[in-house]
Amino acid sequence: GIQVEQSPPDLILQEGANSTLRCNFSDSVNNLQWFHQNPWGQLINLFYIPSGTKQNGRLSATTVATERYSLLYISSSQTTDSGVYFCAGRGYSGAGSYQLTFGKGTKLSVIP
Amino acid sequence: DAGITQSPRYKITETGRQVTLMCHQTWSHSYMFWYRQDLGHGLRLIYYSAAADITDKGEVPDGYVVSRSKTENFPLTLESATRSQTSVYFCASSELADTQYFGPGTRLTVL
Repeated sequence: GIQVEQSPPDLILQEGANSTLRCNFSDSVNNLQWFHQNPWGQLINLFYIPSGTKQNGRLSATTVATERYSLLYISSSQTTDSGVYFCAGRGYSGAGSYQLTFGKGTKLSVIP
Repeated sequence: DAGITQSPRYKITETGRQVTLMCHQTWSHSYMFWYRQDLGHGLRLIYYSAAADITDKGEVPDGYVVSRSKTENFPLTLESATRSQTSVYFCASSELADTQYFGPGTRLTVL
């Protein structure tokens, strides 16, 4: 299966700062998603982004499929952005395979 | 709109007991998934289902059994719980095997 690497593993930001989280894949993926796990454990889907760029408020994501990476941008960070950000992808491993492989996450702490 | 729910939210059991974790979704999504989340391992897929009566193994299926007789329900059974199955379990669903929506999770402790 594919390998998913996320960087940085930990990030501390002052409120209002911007940040970029990165996700690298060992092979091509046909399904790439970003999730936020809040401090209470809830996993929220942020983006389904197999290629291109999407924006949702202060968050945006870009996937360059040919180079096997994706970036998540957080602008004007707020304390509510704290938590762990996961990316996940599914490789082209044959018909019927719907397994998403998750990275180990980036733990973001936004301090006031 | 309840979305996707899991029950129980917390469970403590003993080694060797059978435990069933429930997952229910109100969207009529075709695909449903069970993951476990452990420190150091992240989220790993246990089983998934593409439709009622169609299930398949994920990365870590040993010791687990699933069934899907109705589209909206996808129970996960630990036939004989072991301490290594202490974890947080998440259920998820998606319509077209793209965007996955997660339930709130079940924290299971096996003593």
